[in-house]
Amino acid sequence: QSALTQEASVSGTVGQKVTLSCTGNSNNIGSYAVGWYQQISHGAPKTVMFGNSLPSGIPDRFSGSKSGTTASLTISGLQPEDEADYYCSTWDYSLSAVVFGGGTKLTVL
Amino acid sequence: EVQLLESGGGLVQPGGSLRLSCAASGFTFSSYAMSWVRQAPGKGLEWVSAISGSGGSTYYADSVKGRFTISRDNSKNTLYLQMNSLRAEDTAVYYCAKAGVVDSGYSYSYSYFDYWGQGTLVTVSS
Repeated sequence: QSALTQEASVSGTVGQKVTLSCTGNSNNIGSYAVGWYQQISHGAPKTVMFGNSLPSGIPDRFSGSKSGTTASLTISGLQPEDEADYYCSTWDYSLSAVVFGGGTKLTVL
Repeated sequence: EVQLLESGGGLVQPGGSLRLSCAASGFTFSSYAMSWVRQAPGKGLEWVSAISGSGGSTYYADSVKGRFTISRDNSKNTLYLQMNSLRAEDTAVYYCAKAGVVDSGYSYSYSYFDYWGQGTLVTVSS
């Protein structure tokens, strides 16, 4: 059981906007910035968002937000190359540990 | 350009030991906390351990506490993970990851990663 909760799967068509969510509690998401990581075909993870900031080289169709204890990753204008597994993570001060979500499999139809 | 290169993975018998290394370049290594994250076959990402920029603070997942030791040599820009008493459930690809913010001594220094290595496979089997 992951400390952060993500949808198991999400799908969308090319050009559509999709939002992935990551729900935690006041000890983790409610207190810290969240990172989002893309993993294609079990290759090395790549950071696509941290807090509300976009890493260099990541398309601006990716955006991030947070409300209370839920963080969201939105992809506007979905592209075939966005099909991947997406994970969220942050620090949990009650556990003194980094916590991950179970991951969301994004399928581009 | 930030680069993280893991090495040291391989096949080891249950109860055995292995030491992983992560050679870092392209940034001021001692200024950032570092973590090890693993992924078992067909499973999601699991955080294993973290260490502060100075090496003075370390943190472990309950699943590895007492068996694994994280360390770093800032003079060599290298992160290590000493793994003892290995179990079949430790079989995974192990990634090193760089914290996304300069280590200020506060816990938010560990809240997200910005760069990852390519990973090294550890297989625990007889």
